[in-house]
Amino acid sequence: EMQLVESGGDLVQPGGSLRLSCVASEFTFDNYAMNWVRQAPGKGLEWVSVISGNGVVTYYADSVRGRFTISRDNFRNTLYLQMSSLRAEDTARYYCARATRGGSGDTDLWGQGTVVTVSS
Amino acid sequence: EIVLTQSPGTLSLSPGERATLSCRASQSISGNLAWYQQKPGQVPRLLIYDASNRATGIPDRFSGGGSGTDFTLTITRLEPEDFAVYYCQHYDEPPRTFGQGTKVEIK
Repeated sequence: EMQLVESGGDLVQPGGSLRLSCVASEFTFDNYAMNWVRQAPGKGLEWVSVISGNGVVTYYADSVRGRFTISRDNFRNTLYLQMSSLRAEDTARYYCARATRGGSGDTDLWGQGTVVTVSS
Repeated sequence: EIVLTQSPGTLSLSPGERATLSCRASQSISGNLAWYQQKPGQVPRLLIYDASNRATGIPDRFSGGGSGTDFTLTITRLEPEDFAVYYCQHYDEPPRTFGQGTKVEIK
């Protein structure tokens, strides 16, 4: 069964850093662009970032550009999100999500998410 | 940044009724729009991609339409499992923003 499993979420102080991981299984990972999407408690979905299948092309939401870095290791079938200069407003459940068709913008496979809490 | 505005915020309907959800983009996004359904405690589920194509396994009571700046998601006859929050998302150009969501609740 195709699956995405996120990890790395934690309680971190404002200004701190954290790295999230998302391990993919049962599909050819490097054939697909991958996204990070977050959802603050009780709020809607917010797209965070996307990376192409080969890792060359990346894009970010305005709210995280310059603070977050998306990357991937296609040998380990793993997607990453390096987060720095964290703020209270970054508190959310972070989902990784796979593009439906290669580089398509829609996403058909989501992990269960990992929770990041930014608080002193 | 392209802003997506969904309306209404909440839709109160009874099972068997028709639901029409709207998503308006602040500039043209061609047909580069998806719709997702999210139930409490669950991950989002892709319903529609490229504005009008049903994703794999999605019942035909769900349909999407529109292009440019105005899009709709229609659920022809609401089933009990359809009461949820629905989000639109564009992928015309980054950043790939979501709308704020429409909650479809039981009347």
